[in-house]
Amino acid sequence: NAGVMQNPRHLVRRRGQEARLRCSPMKGHSHVYWYRQLPEEGLKFMVYLQKENIIDESGMPKERFSAEFPKEGPSILRIQQVVRGDSAAYFCASSRGSTTNEKLFFGSGTQLSVL
Amino acid sequence: GENVEQHPSTLSVQEGDSAVIKCTYSDSASNYFPWYKQELGKRPQLIIDIRSNVGEKKDQRIAVTLNKTAKHFSLHITETQPEDSAVYFCAATGTGTASKLTFGTGTRLQVTL
Repeated sequence: NAGVMQNPRHLVRRRGQEARLRCSPMKGHSHVYWYRQLPEEGLKFMVYLQKENIIDESGMPKERFSAEFPKEGPSILRIQQVVRGDSAAYFCASSRGSTTNEKLFFGSGTQLSVL
Repeated sequence: GENVEQHPSTLSVQEGDSAVIKCTYSDSASNYFPWYKQELGKRPQLIIDIRSNVGEKKDQRIAVTLNKTAKHFSLHITETQPEDSAVYFCAATGTGTASKLTFGTGTRLQVTL
């Protein structure tokens, strides 16, 4: 049973470009969470999705950021017109159900570097 | 929403000694408290967790205690080894189908020889 898969592992973008980060949850998991981690800092919640639905996007900036989890395929975190401050590690995590009852497992992350 | 505070931010212990990391949370409805270990450049990995109906849980050299009245929980690592060196994060989650994990700011543990 493969774990949470994220790609790419490293992504370099120039200011103003778009970044697309992909996440495939563990088999049998339908809940996906995206977290951002700045160097030497903790994990900041961004968005929580279930298949085709955004459950909680309270941690995601209103502008330039969007997320989706389609019926088929991976979850996508999209950052438009990237700026240097977007440089961070973006971790995806998945669970079988709500974290009230289910454990959360993380992918290896995507390190985004904005030049 | 939930707020989780974690102390200390850095901790250095000698090999064989014990290490204790403490966290407090704000939402009295929170009922699940996992701990994650993150090595440099790697993913956070779940090492132990506890639910609110349990006061203590142990797994070999690591243990977690929970005090719901005081809203704090702690990670205890005994007989520390160099491979325990990492950043440790506590987290808390509330009830409800839309609950999510809120993380503490992390503790960098250094186990010296």
